[in-house]
Amino acid sequence: GENVEQHPSTLSVQEGDSAVIKCTYSDSASNYFPWYKQELGKGPQLIIDIRSNVGEKKDQRIAVTLNKTAKHFSLHITETQPEDSAVYFCAPGTALIFGKGTTLSVSS
Amino acid sequence: GAGVSQSPSNKVTEKGKDVELRCDPISGHTALYWYRQRLGQGLEFLIYFQGNSAPDKSGLPSDRFSAERTGESVSTLTIQRTQQEDSAVYLCASSSSGADTQYFGPGTRLTVL
Repeated sequence: GENVEQHPSTLSVQEGDSAVIKCTYSDSASNYFPWYKQELGKGPQLIIDIRSNVGEKKDQRIAVTLNKTAKHFSLHITETQPEDSAVYFCAPGTALIFGKGTTLSVSS
Repeated sequence: GAGVSQSPSNKVTEKGKDVELRCDPISGHTALYWYRQRLGQGLEFLIYFQGNSAPDKSGLPSDRFSAERTGESVSTLTIQRTQQEDSAVYLCASSSSGADTQYFGPGTRLTVL
């Protein structure tokens, strides 16, 4: 089955700094790479995704980069704000297996 | 449009009782997923329904857990003879197909006393 590793498990940054979270997967057949954000007491919500025919995708302060050869993809958040504080999950491929999550804390 | 809904939002039960958790997916979504999330932990896959195919039950932790789905609509997750370790938030998600964006419900928080 798919092995998914997500790093780091926790990340603390100052407001305005950048944050990067990396997800490594094992199934080379994976072709869908989403990132979800989960705020306290809520279900996860998709914030950005990428498919295997694209290397990078940006949406305002958020970007995802994909390296299919190395089998990893990363979430980049620039100019972080306190409302970015949440838990972030990757879920590559069929998305049955989620990464263990990264708790991002942005302090003002 | 309406998102994924789950009921009840909270359920407190006594050890040994059976519980049923309900999920109403987004209309037209053929794929439906159930996950378990223990406090401070990640999402643990339980079961996956895709259209009329046989469900993928590979994540169910024991035979006390079962789930059904009526066509491409509502799904029910049943836990029999609940144990304290079953206490968690149970999340349901649906998507238009497999390997696509999952839309999550708010979850059902289950507490087994």
